[in-house]
Amino acid sequence: EDQVTQSPEALRLQEGESSSLNCSYTVSGLRGLFWYRQDPGKGPEFLFTLYSAGEEKEKERLKATLTKKESFLHITAPKPEDSATYLCAVYNNNDMRFGAGTRLTVKP
Amino acid sequence: GAVVSQHPSRVICKSGTSVKIECRSLDFQATTMFWYRQFPKQSLMLMATSNEGSKATYEQGVEKDKFLINHASLTLSTLTVTSAHPEDSSFYICSASPDRGRDTFGSGTRLTVV
Repeated sequence: EDQVTQSPEALRLQEGESSSLNCSYTVSGLRGLFWYRQDPGKGPEFLFTLYSAGEEKEKERLKATLTKKESFLHITAPKPEDSATYLCAVYNNNDMRFGAGTRLTVKP
Repeated sequence: GAVVSQHPSRVICKSGTSVKIECRSLDFQATTMFWYRQFPKQSLMLMATSNEGSKATYEQGVEKDKFLINHASLTLSTLTVTSAHPEDSSFYICSASPDRGRDTFGSGTRLTVV
């Protein structure tokens, strides 16, 4: 059965303290892995799509990487406005499956 | 970029009444839209796939008669929660995309049934 597991469930960082969020997956025929940001009471906002192992994408303080088993979302020198829940999702044969998310809190 | 509008953002209704939630693609045509449900601190769970001009496809365990989906045009899908009960209280989110896989999500609807 396809599974998407995110860790940690919650992460508290000081401003400027870099870290990584993990998304591990087991899925046959991966067509894409997606990262979203979700603020409380809002719908998810698209961040990145990764299609193949070794691929990397960057946007401001965020960098997403992909291997055959997992993806990392690296946050460099985070700011309080980066506080949100980060969701990853895998896309397989027209079926998207989401992880439970990592709730990131960045304290000033 | 693709924009999806969802309305209302919040609704409170009495137990036994019905609530309609709208999902509109503003700058593209969406033959398919998706409805999700999200409980606090949990991930999005796909409820159903809304298909323009045909019946929606429901995920296992989702009651078709309780969650009515209508996709009458290429830019509008509606989800009606019928005879709502407190256990239906949740955050409902729709999504659509001109390119499946890179979905754009609506802003969500917080439903509270009292």
